[in-house]
Amino acid sequence: AQRVTQPEKLLSVFKGAPVELKCNYSYSGSPELFWYVQYSRQRLQLLLRHISRESIKGFTADLNKGETSFHLKKPFAQEEDSAMYYCALQPDFGNEKLTFGTGTRLTIIP
Amino acid sequence: KAGVTQTPRYLIKTRGQQVTLSCSPISGHRSVSWYQQTPGQGLQFLFEYFSETQRNKGNFPGRFSGRQFSNSRSEMNVSTLELGDSALYLCASSLADGTSLSYEQYFGPGTRLTVT
Repeated sequence: AQRVTQPEKLLSVFKGAPVELKCNYSYSGSPELFWYVQYSRQRLQLLLRHISRESIKGFTADLNKGETSFHLKKPFAQEEDSAMYYCALQPDFGNEKLTFGTGTRLTIIP
Repeated sequence: KAGVTQTPRYLIKTRGQQVTLSCSPISGHRSVSWYQQTPGQGLQFLFEYFSETQRNKGNFPGRFSGRQFSNSRSEMNVSTLELGDSALYLCASSLADGTSLSYEQYFGPGTRLTVT
């Protein structure tokens, strides 16, 4: 069975400071990892996925298979980054089941 | 393209009743997944439908069921409602056409179900 752990429920960071949201997973295969974000009063939306290796809104995430981690990072936090962030795991292509972590509420302090 | 739509947005039901929620995926998307979101359990996968067939199922009792129509629209049904079924029910759609970038899921706004 797969599991996703986000150890921080709440995270407060000053504007301009670096941000790191932690995500660890357990799965015996080679999963696809995602970060989803939910801004206030908006629907859950995909922020980035491992396979794309993109930087979205300044955020990046590196998959570390040795540590089974997929931490989300941004060098300089902005106020509009305040939101709920969820790390999610998809077992493999063709299996749409997403296993979500419990989420981290990020608050950027002006 | 229009996003994923869910109806109704809010619903209040009484214990023991049944409820049907509806989801219209993004045009061209063939896979529809359902999730339950609660403060205590977070986001939990219910089931996924692809080409009118249930392809994946989560760990929920048989009271939770669903179906998908030929136009990819999906419905979710919960029978004999319990207080613990109060939650936000999210629907997500994806292309699922076999290409690696097609498995991104797009979420609807959710249906807020309150069971009294």
